[in-house]
Amino acid sequence: EAGVAQSPRYKIIEKRQSVAFWCNPISGHATLYWYQQILGQGPKLLIQFQNNGVVDDSQLPKDRFSAERLKGVDSTLKIQPAKLEDSAVYLCANREWREDEQFFGPGTRLTVL
Amino acid sequence: GDSVTQMEGPVTLSEEAFLTINCTYTATGYPSLFWYVQYPGEGLQLLLKATKADDKGSNKGFEATYRKETTSFHLEKGSVQVSDSAVYFCALSTGGKLIFGQGTELSVKP
Repeated sequence: EAGVAQSPRYKIIEKRQSVAFWCNPISGHATLYWYQQILGQGPKLLIQFQNNGVVDDSQLPKDRFSAERLKGVDSTLKIQPAKLEDSAVYLCANREWREDEQFFGPGTRLTVL
Repeated sequence: GDSVTQMEGPVTLSEEAFLTINCTYTATGYPSLFWYVQYPGEGLQLLLKATKADDKGSNKGFEATYRKETTSFHLEKGSVQVSDSAVYFCALSTGGKLIFGQGTELSVKP
């Protein structure tokens, strides 16, 4: 079974620029999450999708962050404009409906200069 | 709100030493509890889990018991190896969302 794919793996941008991350989940996993992991901290949930609908985006800074999940499969997370404090690893995770375990992708390491 | 607190690291041990990483949680309801591991340069991997009180999760020689009375889920291993060097995250699941502790870095020396 293929795992969660994310791209790019690394991205360096200057503040006020825009950036987008892509996630391809495990086939059949209806629930998709984006987490932000700042260096030295545990991951924090940004947004949760069930199929292509948003379940929870209460922690997403909506003035600059946006996310979508096309046709309930792939998802993109965008930051526009980026700030220095957005430097972090952005993790995508999936789980099957009614299961507890989440499967994580390798993450995208973002550096904002 | 719900939260997870882990012992601070880094933890440095010699090979074959006994490992304990403390984890306590605060939650309404009855969460599932997890330990995830992040090896250098790799993504998060599920190490073990427990879904109800008194359950014991185990994997690769690691164990943790869900203690509702002390709201704890401490990770233990009887004899660590150099290959266990990684960052360990305790987490709880509530409403399908994971809430993580801050992580504990483990370094095992030969």
